[in-house]
Amino acid sequence: EPEVTQTPSHQVTQMGQEVILRCVPISNHLYFYWYRQILGQKVEFLVSFYNNEISEKSEIFDDQFSVERPDGSNFTLKIRSTKLEDSAMYFCASSQDGAATEAFFGQGTRLTVV
Amino acid sequence: AQSVTQLGSHVSVSEGALVLLRCNYSSSVPPYLFWYVQYPNQGLQLLLKYTTGATLVKGINGFEAEFKKSETSFHLTKPSAHMSDAAEYFCAVTVNRDDKIIFGKGTRLHILP
Repeated sequence: EPEVTQTPSHQVTQMGQEVILRCVPISNHLYFYWYRQILGQKVEFLVSFYNNEISEKSEIFDDQFSVERPDGSNFTLKIRSTKLEDSAMYFCASSQDGAATEAFFGQGTRLTVV
Repeated sequence: AQSVTQLGSHVSVSEGALVLLRCNYSSSVPPYLFWYVQYPNQGLQLLLKYTTGATLVKGINGFEAEFKKSETSFHLTKPSAHMSDAAEYFCAVTVNRDDKIIFGKGTRLHILP
């Protein structure tokens, strides 16, 4: 069964450093999403992406965040200057036709900022 | 704006007992509703979803949920709990087919031997 894959599974970084979280969506999917889950809290929407541009972003997704689809397979989330409060599990999701009802989630990347 | 409320951050049931995880939603238009499960150190897995049609939805691993518009609820049930059901369960909602998913805070299910 096709799946969304994320790398790395766990990343530790120092405060102020840049991190790039990588996702490989399901191959025929066109819509991509990032969500995050701070430990003990609910999963929150960050951004959606379609046709090489952001479709929607939340208030969490400020200027330190960016997304990119650098090639035909990867979808990345970059955090320019990490803060302690960026520590969270980050989930990538994709869907074929933009339907949230058909979105598939990856296993997540646990980011720890020290 | 739509939202979901999950009653109980922790629920404990004995193995073999009924599992009932409560979820109420708020939405001004007909919602699409989901239950996701997160096993320890794993990602989000879709258990089941309600889009349209039959209000009783069956999912994987013997779980089911019933959409009750009059009660704005979408409670998750399983007749007989198994140790492997221990996980965190998230109720979620969206109102547009193409919209982002809004998650509840989650309920951690503990199974007692």
